[in-house]
Amino acid sequence: DQQVKQNSPSLSVQEGRISILNCDYTNSMFDYFLWYKKYPAEGPTFLISISSIKDKNEDGRFTVFLNKSAKHLSLHIVPSQPGDSAVYFCAALLSGGGADGLTFGKGTHLIIQP
Amino acid sequence: EAGVTQFPSHSVIEKGQTVTLRCDPISGHDNLYWYRRVMGKEIKFLLHFVKESKQDESGMPNNRFLAERTGGTYSTLKVQPAELEDSGVYFCASSHRAGTGGYEQYFGPGTRLTVT
Repeated sequence: DQQVKQNSPSLSVQEGRISILNCDYTNSMFDYFLWYKKYPAEGPTFLISISSIKDKNEDGRFTVFLNKSAKHLSLHIVPSQPGDSAVYFCAALLSGGGADGLTFGKGTHLIIQP
Repeated sequence: EAGVTQFPSHSVIEKGQTVTLRCDPISGHDNLYWYRRVMGKEIKFLLHFVKESKQDESGMPNNRFLAERTGGTYSTLKVQPAELEDSGVYFCASSHRAGTGGYEQYFGPGTRLTVT
């Protein structure tokens, strides 16, 4: 039973436009969310995170939005650049109790077209 | 600052053999995690160390897997005996969580294990 779902296996966006990657979760106890970017043959690289007490967090070209009532978060990249082509993973965490294993989605392959 | 390192980068072994994977976390990080990604599936949590203590090993698939972190520095993950379904990429991550948030985990490049 997948608790974090990324329903789009791939997404193609033109360079300079906005990329929007979506993520849904089922466990309402998750209280911290992270986005990772992964290139082939490398480990995931941390991008941006958000606590459940917020609904938006911004860092440069990257913004994450959280809608707790819908159990939905999204990552916006604007403007999209060729180097953004990678697989993006959404991850969730229950921060209390010391058990900090991340629960990942299956990833979305973002392709930025020139 | 050096990142998380893992050794070896690739390992090919036969079913029934033993393999030991090593992870060196970022210096000063008390938290160390192991994850595994089987082909086509999501990255799955295996276990979490705080210094040398196992905080959570709920993701360990069975008793053929043994993780250690002697001295609270590097960690090893041993698979004995290896089975075909153990094939995948094993990631290590570390974090130095502050008291008021900051749960970001930093990943190594992974070890690709192939069991034939």
